[in-house]
Amino acid sequence: NAGVTQTPKFRVLKTGQSMTLLCAQDMNHEYMYWYRQDPGMGLRLIHYSVGEGTTAKGEVPDGYNVSRLKKQNFLLGLESAAPSQTSVYFCASSVGWDSYSGANVLTFGAGSRLTVL
Amino acid sequence: DAKTTQPNSMESNEEEPVHLPCNHSTISGTDYIHWYRQLPSQGPEYVIHGLTSNVNNRMASLAIAEDRKSSTLILHRATLRDAAVYYCILRPAPSGGSNYKLTFGKGTLLTVNP
Repeated sequence: NAGVTQTPKFRVLKTGQSMTLLCAQDMNHEYMYWYRQDPGMGLRLIHYSVGEGTTAKGEVPDGYNVSRLKKQNFLLGLESAAPSQTSVYFCASSVGWDSYSGANVLTFGAGSRLTVL
Repeated sequence: DAKTTQPNSMESNEEEPVHLPCNHSTISGTDYIHWYRQLPSQGPEYVIHGLTSNVNNRMASLAIAEDRKSSTLILHRATLRDAAVYYCILRPAPSGGSNYKLTFGKGTLLTVNP
């Protein structure tokens, strides 16, 4: 059971280049999320999806686009990378709201470290 | 969303109990208290959650104040592997369009001394 897999793990881009981060989960989770983490800061939500074919903006969506064409995959795209987008990106997935237990347990991937020069 | 306040850092010795505090004075009646932790160079992982009653699982215990304005994550015997950033998060119950997001703050960096 792989859980949440992110590819690539590391990437270096030049300003203005584009790239896509892929997140894949094998737990049949409905909900998927993209976060970024910068030094000394907590995780900030970029975009999320509550089901196949749906996406929504989080706290810091500018400069990013996402797509959820298949339930198991959530793609994060940078159309024109900027140095401010240098960060570690984490993908997560969850079953969603469990009304009985009150849990919304997120399972995270190992992260993708992106450097924009 | 209601906010949480945690100390920036704490230290503990190996095999001793650790009490990680979290203040959430603006918590609403339907907010669940979740804890996650992030080990070095890894993604966060779920630890425990609760609403009103104290909770125990294999990883930790969660003690919730009677007025729910604060909570404490308890690691009964800290190990070196418990060194991590611990996040206390309020998770509102979904309503209307539903809210499935978790908002992470800066958390508490726990150092465990051998």
